[in-house]
Amino acid sequence: EVQLVQSGAEVKKPGESLRISCKASGYSFTRYWISWVRQMPGKGLEWMGRIDPSDSYTNYSPSFQGHVTISADKSISTAYLQWSSLKASDTAIYYCARGEEGLSDPSWFDPWGQGTLVTVSS
Amino acid sequence: DIQMTQSPSSLSASVGDRVSITCQASQDIKNSLNWYRQKPGKAPNLLIFDASDLETGVPSRFSGSGSGTDFTFTISSLQPEDIATYYCQQYDNFPITFGQGTRLEIK
Repeated sequence: EVQLVQSGAEVKKPGESLRISCKASGYSFTRYWISWVRQMPGKGLEWMGRIDPSDSYTNYSPSFQGHVTISADKSISTAYLQWSSLKASDTAIYYCARGEEGLSDPSWFDPWGQGTLVTVSS
Repeated sequence: DIQMTQSPSSLSASVGDRVSITCQASQDIKNSLNWYRQKPGKAPNLLIFDASDLETGVPSRFSGSGSGTDFTFTISSLQPEDIATYYCQQYDNFPITFGQGTRLEIK
């Protein structure tokens, strides 16, 4: 079974750093892109960016470029989303999702991880 | 960025009703459109890809149509388990963008 399992909920203070994870299983991790999607409280879905785990090449949405870093460790089939300095406005649920195969054009997201709730509050 | 406009933003219907949601793109995206369902407290899941192809294992009461800028998602006979928010998503251009969502409730 193809599965993405994300790390648990986090509570952080403004200015702190954070890295959340997304562990893949049931398929060849380096074969498919992984995307990250934000959902702020009571709001819709926003695509943040994606990574090709085979070479760690990334694409970011302009809205998130410079605010977050997407990385991957193919030795443990895990993708990461990290912040160097959190803000209260980063409070949201973050989902990872498997995307398209390596050299293919962007497509759909399937499956999705269960989501990680990040709460940033002083 | 390509803007995706879904309508309606919320919808209330009875079990057995035929329900449709529309999604309009701000420019031609060919058939580069997907539909997702997000049940309360859960992650989204893929229902329709490439505008009209049904994902494996998804009930046949779900369907999608359209191309270019105008797309429609239909549930032929609404079931109680269809209570959810539905999103369209375009992948023709970066950044990938979603519609604002349609919240579906049962009367």
